Amino acid sequence: GNSVTQMEGPVTLSEEAFLTINCTYTATGYPSLFWYVQYPGEGLQLLLKATKADDKGSNKGFEATYRKETTSFHLEKGSVQVSDSAVYFCAFQDNAGNNRKLIWGLGTSLAVNP
Amino acid sequence: DGGITQSPKYLFRKEGQNVTLSCEQNLNHDAMYWYRQDPGQGLRLIYYSQIVNDFQKGDIAEGYSVSREKKESFPLTVTSAQKNPTAFYLCASSMALWATDTQYFGPGTRLTVL
Repeated sequence: GNSVTQMEGPVTLSEEAFLTINCTYTATGYPSLFWYVQYPGEGLQLLLKATKADDKGSNKGFEATYRKETTSFHLEKGSVQVSDSAVYFCAFQDNAGNNRKLIWGLGTSLAVNP
Repeated sequence: DGGITQSPKYLFRKEGQNVTLSCEQNLNHDAMYWYRQDPGQGLRLIYYSQIVNDFQKGDIAEGYSVSREKKESFPLTVTSAQKNPTAFYLCASSMALWATDTQYFGPGTRLTVL
């Protein structure tokens, strides 16, 4: 069935380090792919998305490329800041059929130390 | 400012009691959703509503009930039939059903059963 596998956390980095959070998916058809971020004590916010193969989503210095051949959507940032400390969720939306609910990964906690 | 409010932020309940979580939005969105978040798990869909006076069960609706009498309000009742209600509950809304481009999340309510 449809699922998302996300890198387990917690991930701890020093400020200005390079970040990669891996995400792979199993889906029928051609889903849209998303990264959401949850800052401490807050609800989720859409960080970036990609709707077709080879699309690159980007926002706030974060990037992720829709790789159909590897069914992956890894999140990257070249230089993390303390303010990036949050939980990051990978998700997809199957565009086939009427039920287009989001399928969520388990979340990856990121802590950035000064 | 437009957004979603959830109240209360923290809620404590004795076993055997029903409790209602509030969710209000002033975004003029038609669709609203309730998710449950447990530590180390992704979001799971409890109920969703496409429009006023209409709602559908999500993946884990047992032990929960909702109403949608007004466009801006989608309260969730956690009943005594819910076997393990301690969790973080997130409400979300979007312009249309499953429209991630316009999706907003509330700050959440943390429910603890004593």
